Amino acid sequence: KNQVEQSPQSLIILEGKNCTLQCNYTVSPFSNLRWYKQDTGRGPVSLTIMTFSENTKSNGRYTATLDADTKQSSLHITASQLSDSASYICVVTAYGGATNKLIFGTGTLLAVQP
Amino acid sequence: SQTIHQWPATLVQPVGSPLSLECTVEGTSNPNLYWYRQAAGRGLQLLFYSVGIGQISSEVPQNLSASRPQDRQFILSSKKLLLSDSGFYLCAWSLDSIYSYEQYFGPGTRLTVT
Repeated sequence: KNQVEQSPQSLIILEGKNCTLQCNYTVSPFSNLRWYKQDTGRGPVSLTIMTFSENTKSNGRYTATLDADTKQSSLHITASQLSDSASYICVVTAYGGATNKLIFGTGTLLAVQP
Repeated sequence: SQTIHQWPATLVQPVGSPLSLECTVEGTSNPNLYWYRQAAGRGLQLLFYSVGIGQISSEVPQNLSASRPQDRQFILSSKKLLLSDSGFYLCAWSLDSIYSYEQYFGPGTRLTVT
């Protein structure tokens, strides 16, 4: 069964600190893995996308890693800001015929406090 | 550039009433279109997707339906809403290619069924 599990469910950190969010998946056949940021009441916005052959991808203060052997990914946020408060969703794409199938994690809710 | 619109932004409807949510995409042709629902504390659930006008695929059985009357218009409907239909509804689009990795989400509609 295709699944994406994220941890922790929620996280509170102080402004300026770093944090790491985890994503474990069992998806086959694997196409790519994405991290989305979803502000409350808004649609998700893509942060990074990695294919099978990519180990790391950065987008500003966000760095995602992918270990295709262990089927794990992490999202590291450096020098957090109040605007980083959001839900971070790991999404794994499986090849699926006419259109790819996206399997969504339930997200990690991050709160950055001053 | 491409943009995706959804309306209304919020909606409160009584049980048993009909529903119509609309999504339109600008700046691209023949996109794949998707309807997702995000219940409180849950991951995004794919409801419907469409690869062309009049072509609708349903991912989960329910009392909702979707239609695509025009290339860049996607409508989510119900004849009689249930309490369990409450949630955050997101429309998304992607390029017409199985090698297209990116899905772009709209701003969402918050539906509360009372």
